[in-house]
Amino acid sequence: GAGVSQSPSNKVTEKGKDVELRCDPISGHTALYWYRQSLGQGLEFLIYFQGNSAPDKSGLPSDRFSAERTGGSVSTLTIQRTQQEDSAVYLCASSLGLGGGYEQYFGPGTRLTVT
Amino acid sequence: AQSVTQLGSHVSVSEGALVLLRCNYSSSVPPYLFWYVQYPNQGLQLLLKYTSAATLVKGINGFEAEFKKSETSFHLTKPSAHMSDAAEYFCAVSDFQGAQKLVFGQGTRLTINP
Repeated sequence: GAGVSQSPSNKVTEKGKDVELRCDPISGHTALYWYRQSLGQGLEFLIYFQGNSAPDKSGLPSDRFSAERTGGSVSTLTIQRTQQEDSAVYLCASSLGLGGGYEQYFGPGTRLTVT
Repeated sequence: AQSVTQLGSHVSVSEGALVLLRCNYSSSVPPYLFWYVQYPNQGLQLLLKYTSAATLVKGINGFEAEFKKSETSFHLTKPSAHMSDAAEYFCAVSDFQGAQKLVFGQGTRLTINP
C-alpha cells in the first residue's frame, strides 16, 4: 500500500516569505507527527496530531510555525516569515495509534532552503 | 526528560566485519527504544524496536539490538557488514505511555570499506 507522502520534495524560498508543507499519512493512521532534521540540531520533534487535534505543540520553535490537520488525514505545516535558520528537512510520520509502541512510518521529507 | 546518546558520529568497518553502533538512553520510566536507518535522500526506516518483551530484539537486514537496563544501553549489531548497510543510523526513545513522540540521538554514519 501507499506510504506517507510529502510535498513538495524540495522548496527554495526567499527569506521573509511564507511556506506550506504538506503531509499525506497512511490511510487509517490516526496519529501524525512532524519532525525537523537539520545539521546543527539533528532530528527534533515539532508537533503531533491525534485525529485533528494537536495536544502537544511544545516542539514548535516559534510562533511563526503552525500546523493543522483536517479530516483526520492531510496535515499542513506552515512557516511564516521564513528565516535562514528554518532551512532543514521536514519529516512527517504517521502511526496507527498513540502509545503502545506503535511504529511511526516516515515520509521522504521536504527539503526547505531559505535564501 | 528523555535523551539518547550515540557514541561515535562516524563508524567505518570493512565488508564482512562486525558492525557495532552504540546507543545509551536516559529515561525516568520504562522506555520504548528504536533503531532507524536513513539512506541518502530518503526518510527513516524502522530497523527494530524494543517494547519490554524480549531484551534481544531482531530486526530487518540481519541487525539486532540488546536492551541492557543496568547499562541503559541499546547497542545495534550485525555480525557481517554488507556494502548496502552504508547509511545513517538513529537510535530513539519514546514514552512508555505517552504520545510516543520520538527523541533521537545525533545519528551515526556507517561507512563500509570494500
